[in-house]
Amino acid sequence: DVKVTQSSRYLVKRTGEKVFLECVQDMDHENMFWYRQDPGLGLRLIYFSYDVKMKEKGDIPEGYSVSREKKERFSLILESASTNQTSMYLCASSSLGGEAFFGQGTRLTVV
Amino acid sequence: AQTVTQSQPEMSVQEAETVTLSCTYDTSESNYYLFWYKQPPSRQMILVIRQEAYKQQNATENRFSVNFQKAAKSFSLKISDSQLGDTAMYFCAFMKHDSGTYKYIFGTGTRLKVLA
Repeated sequence: DVKVTQSSRYLVKRTGEKVFLECVQDMDHENMFWYRQDPGLGLRLIYFSYDVKMKEKGDIPEGYSVSREKKERFSLILESASTNQTSMYLCASSSLGGEAFFGQGTRLTVV
Repeated sequence: AQTVTQSQPEMSVQEAETVTLSCTYDTSESNYYLFWYKQPPSRQMILVIRQEAYKQQNATENRFSVNFQKAAKSFSLKISDSQLGDTAMYFCAFMKHDSGTYKYIFGTGTRLKVLA
């Protein structure tokens, strides 16, 4: 059974903290994505990566960075968490031209 | 820029009835893929159905089928014999080739509730 696993389902952090969200996939996929999901806004792409050490900005990269040191792992970093980054974060992976497989999501609350 | 529009934020349907969820998209590309994803209350997003733009035949997966109108840029999802387990958020998505790889653009979603 193919899997995309996110390290936490729920996370509460304080304003100004550095936050790491981890995502691991076991399908040897080239592409990995981080989305943010907010009510009424759907899924918005933060960053994506098409290869190890490669990254591209999505539609809303401000306040975020990413790291992909290994093919199976894609990390999202909030350099200094703010309350407006409270949201659901979804990680996904895909092969080239294939469907996206999603993790279970991380509900992040910044207080 | 490509966009995906789902104009129905919420819908409800009686169990065993049929419901259609709407999706329109905007693109200048000729080759692309379209998807419907389902996100049940437990949050794991899963693929429902996929359509390649070069195929004229509408995709079907058991009770789920699409009405793909390429000229009109419309991609609706029909759920037949609705079941309580179909209650979920449904997202329409467009996949495009960009920067040497593929990106997915999602609509804002339709929350479907199946009523007993």
